[in-house]
Amino acid sequence: ILNVEQSPQSLHVQEGDSTNFTCSFPSSNFYALHWYRWETAKSPEALFVMTLNGDEKKKGRISATLNTKEGYSYLYIKGSQPEDSATYLCAPRHTDKLIFGTGTRLQVFP
Amino acid sequence: GAVVSQHPSWVICKSGTSVKIECRSLDFQATTMFWYRQFPKQSLMLMATSNEGSKATYEQGVEKDKFLINHASLTLSTLTVTSAHPEDSSFYICSASGTSGRAGEQYFGPGTRLTVT
Repeated sequence: ILNVEQSPQSLHVQEGDSTNFTCSFPSSNFYALHWYRWETAKSPEALFVMTLNGDEKKKGRISATLNTKEGYSYLYIKGSQPEDSATYLCAPRHTDKLIFGTGTRLQVFP
Repeated sequence: GAVVSQHPSWVICKSGTSVKIECRSLDFQATTMFWYRQFPKQSLMLMATSNEGSKATYEQGVEKDKFLINHASLTLSTLTVTSAHPEDSSFYICSASGTSGRAGEQYFGPGTRLTVT
């Protein structure tokens, strides 16, 4: 059973603060790493798919990096806004299966 | 693009009855659909993978006779929880991959909250 850890479990920041969180996963048999944003009562929204060691992806104020050799990915949010409040899930992919972490719950206060 | 709907969004049923949950890809063909379950404060756990027209592949520990999965078309998969019991109360969510978006990406429905009394 693959162990995927996300930290911190929850985070409260003020509007305008930048923040980051971590996803750790086994580096063996790695295929890809997915990040999702999940707002309450909505569908998880795909943010990034990363495959190569050293990959960096960016979408607006959100960016992510990937280290497949040591088995971690960072997600950064620059200048957090209240609408960024959500749970952020990471999921390494093995064959066609996603293995999810428990997520980081972010709350951004105005 | 890549919208997945799920119905119902919540359901309450009595112990011993069966409940069917539908998962639809609205604007793409879903060659593969996945069913997950999430217990409180836990991660999404894959229950089964289904390919259109084929029998579902269940993860270890998931009873295939209890959780019936049908993927009869490229836009619809159903999960039927048979003879539901209170311990089946959980959040069930589906995802789909296929002709839309990035290869290997899964697009999720909004989930179904099942409560068995």
